[in-house]
Amino acid sequence: DTGVSQDPRHKITKRGQNVTFRCDPISEHNRLYWYRQTLGQGPEFLTYFQNEAQLEKSRLLSDRFSAERPKGSFSTLEIQRTEQGDSAMYLCASSLGAGGAFFGPGTRLTVL
Amino acid sequence: RKEVEQDPGPFNVPEGATVAFNCTYSNSASQSFFWYRQDCRKEPKLLMSVYSSGNEDGRFTAQLNRASQYISLLIRDSKLSDSATYLCVVKPGNFNKFYFGSGTKLNVKP
Repeated sequence: DTGVSQDPRHKITKRGQNVTFRCDPISEHNRLYWYRQTLGQGPEFLTYFQNEAQLEKSRLLSDRFSAERPKGSFSTLEIQRTEQGDSAMYLCASSLGAGGAFFGPGTRLTVL
Repeated sequence: RKEVEQDPGPFNVPEGATVAFNCTYSNSASQSFFWYRQDCRKEPKLLMSVYSSGNEDGRFTAQLNRASQYISLLIRDSKLSDSATYLCVVKPGNFNKFYFGSGTKLNVKP
């Protein structure tokens, strides 16, 4: 399967714990995005990478969130000191050029 | 004001019906437009890009009206398998992000 993959698919954690998610984009795609989606809403932009450079970060992203894309391949999204409001589906997408983005299956985070 | 606005629906239609969704966008600098389909608890999947002259892909027709800043999606001969949430997406030319609407839910009934 050459699509976008994400790991883990589900994560349950206790409030205050740190979590890290991984995204492997489609191999030739240089653009990578992280989005967050809650029930009944469309995906909300979190951050964008072009190759290894993080070029844009949403104001929604507090200091507890950090993302990396070393070597312009896979990406990680870390949430420190999780809060119940962080519970959501975290979606990664990749694209090439001006076309649409292709999403991975998402990581569903539940913070207890 | 939201970047992209959609009627949440649901649109309940019988099999074989024709159904149309519209969405409006606020940023006149938007340059790329898409429709995505999302099934319950799944990721959004790219359905089609939307071009200025309008475009068709099988039973699906997308149109763009830049002057009025709205995008439409027409589905002909609806199938049960078309039941999903349809997300309208715009990408301003000067931004590195896609803006999603909240989606329009379609239920196709037998």
